[in-house]
Amino acid sequence: GAVVSQHPSWVICKSGTSVKIECRSLDFQATTMFWYRQFPKQSLMLMATSNEGSKATYEQGVEKDKFLINHASLTLSTLTVTSAHPEDSSFYICSARVRTQNIQYFGAGTRLSVL
Amino acid sequence: SQQGEEDPQALSIQEGENATMNCSYKTSINNLQWYRQNSGRGLVHLILIRSNEREKHSGRLRVTLDTSKKSSSLLITASRAADTASYFCATYQIYNQGGKLIFGQGTELSVKP
Repeated sequence: GAVVSQHPSWVICKSGTSVKIECRSLDFQATTMFWYRQFPKQSLMLMATSNEGSKATYEQGVEKDKFLINHASLTLSTLTVTSAHPEDSSFYICSARVRTQNIQYFGAGTRLSVL
Repeated sequence: SQQGEEDPQALSIQEGENATMNCSYKTSINNLQWYRQNSGRGLVHLILIRSNEREKHSGRLRVTLDTSKKSSSLLITASRAADTASYFCATYQIYNQGGKLIFGQGTELSVKP
């Protein structure tokens, strides 16, 4: 199956700093990428959908200025958590979809801990 | 809420028994998928069932889909301790710009040896 690589797998940062998470589709071109957030013992919540070359579409309640998404190429999307605070500590998972398929492929996730 | 509901939220069984998890959703779907997640790890895709299918099998997994009731079930037969994990259903929903996968709340399965 298709491989989605997410980096870093784990990051610790100080409150107030920004953190960038990368999501790459390794063997296919991802026209659409998705970012999910998962708090402990909870399900995955879709944060935003990004199409290559256009602005991301954010789900209700997700601050677009807080979570900056860039999808500049067909193989790379980045999520930047700006001015991170402890409440942003979570498991962030990216996902990528090929245009012709209704299947999403998932990265292994990034665990963010904000001190 | 865009999420579906799963029940039970937690299920504890003995090795060898069958485990059944249910999922209900609210909107029209293109397909429904089941995923597994070990604690603190990424998602593992288990099975996909399309909206025009009623039942699908994969090894010890059996998935049913009832679009009239907007519900699905995942049956794991002859469970093993290694099946201990959280299981999520996810519905693939079509919208203007394409489609997106929305997850249910999950069932935490514990299989005791």
